[in-house]
Amino acid sequence: TQLLEQSPQFLSIQEGENLTVYCNSSSVFSSLQWYRQEPGEGPVLLVTVVTGGEVKKLKRLTFQFGDARKDSSLHITAAQPGDTGLYLCAGAYNQGGKLIFGQGTELSVKP
Amino acid sequence: NAGVTQTPKFRILKIGQSMTLQCTQDMNHNYMYWYRQDPGMGLKLIYYSVGAGITDKGEVPNGYNVSRSTTEDFPLRLELAAPSQTSVYFCASSYSKGGGNTGELFFGEGSRLTVL
Repeated sequence: TQLLEQSPQFLSIQEGENLTVYCNSSSVFSSLQWYRQEPGEGPVLLVTVVTGGEVKKLKRLTFQFGDARKDSSLHITAAQPGDTGLYLCAGAYNQGGKLIFGQGTELSVKP
Repeated sequence: NAGVTQTPKFRILKIGQSMTLQCTQDMNHNYMYWYRQDPGMGLKLIYYSVGAGITDKGEVPNGYNVSRSTTEDFPLRLELAAPSQTSVYFCASSYSKGGGNTGELFFGEGSRLTVL
């Protein structure tokens, strides 16, 4: 069974703090995606990473793909209440393959 | 733009009843998926399809069936509902080129199913 371990599962922080969410597997990914989900809605794509060592930035969010393509991280700088939501990583183990999701990180940013 | 549309949004079933969750997409995507989401468990893949007439099992297929007779539609069938199937179900679609990386998934709004 191919597993994606995401940590932490829950995170509650104050506005302005920084945080990092991790996504790990023992297998190599062909590509990895990060999604954000708000209550009552489906997940929405934030970013896709495909190259080992790749770093992508989306405003205050920084995504990194591990050199060996087995892990990824999401770093949020100066978190805001609008960042509150469920963050999900999803990996494909071969090109064009189905996506397997991690358990998700429930982020709460308090004003 | 409609995107991915799921119906119904909410449903309560009795144990042993059957039902079909409908999913349709208007983006001409070749790939379609059904996931279930339980608290603290992320999204688990039930079934997926890479094109009309082709379906395959995901991580948790037991108790479910699917069909893909057209590019647009991918219904999920529950034959004998059990309490363990209480969950939120998401349909998604994506476009993937042969040999290319898995494309972005576009999700519906979800269908909340309770089996009592």
